[in-house]
Amino acid sequence: KNQVEQSPQSLIILEGKNCTLQCNYTVSPFSNLRWYKQDTGRGPVSLTIMTFSENTKSNGRYTATLDADTKQSSLHITASQLSDSASYICVVSVNSGGSNYKLTFGKGTLLTVNP
Amino acid sequence: DTEVTQTPKHLVMGMTNKKSLKCEQHMGHRAMYWYKQKAKKPPELMFVYSYEKLSINESVPSRFSPECPNSSLLNLHLHALQPEDSALYLCASSRGQGFMNTEAFFGQGTRLTVV
Repeated sequence: KNQVEQSPQSLIILEGKNCTLQCNYTVSPFSNLRWYKQDTGRGPVSLTIMTFSENTKSNGRYTATLDADTKQSSLHITASQLSDSASYICVVSVNSGGSNYKLTFGKGTLLTVNP
Repeated sequence: DTEVTQTPKHLVMGMTNKKSLKCEQHMGHRAMYWYKQKAKKPPELMFVYSYEKLSINESVPSRFSPECPNSSLLNLHLHALQPEDSALYLCASSRGQGFMNTEAFFGQGTRLTVV
């Protein structure tokens, strides 16, 4: 069964600190991996998208890494801000047949940044 | 313009009501999606439209009826809903149904409450 597992489920850090969120996946055949940020009650906003050939990708204070061999990804947030408080969702695109692809969502890591 | 616009933002409806959710994008995307998201859960795919034709229906009950009048608009017609249908309904779009390495953009969602 295609799965995307994220850890930790929740995380509380102080403003200005760094943190790293983890994502392990078993989906196959893998197309790409995305990290989204979702504020409560709002739609997900894309942070990064990586194919299997990419090891790292940055978007401002967000840096995602991908190890396609071990099927692991991480999202590193540097110098956290209060506005970083949100759910961070790892999403893997799976080839569901022919030219059809589906997104498999992780359950997310709920990050709280405290002053 | 990388925006997917959903209206209304909030909707409260009775179990005998008929209402519609609307989604609009002007990015020239030819694939549009409806997702349902319950609190603290990942989004679940409901429908996919590709080139204005319904290509995926994830066994959604008939009380949910999607419609794609043109390439920029996506509607979700609601009738005789149940309280357990209360959720955040997300619309998304992408360049084509074959996600491959293309980005998927999500709207802000409609928070639906069925009373």
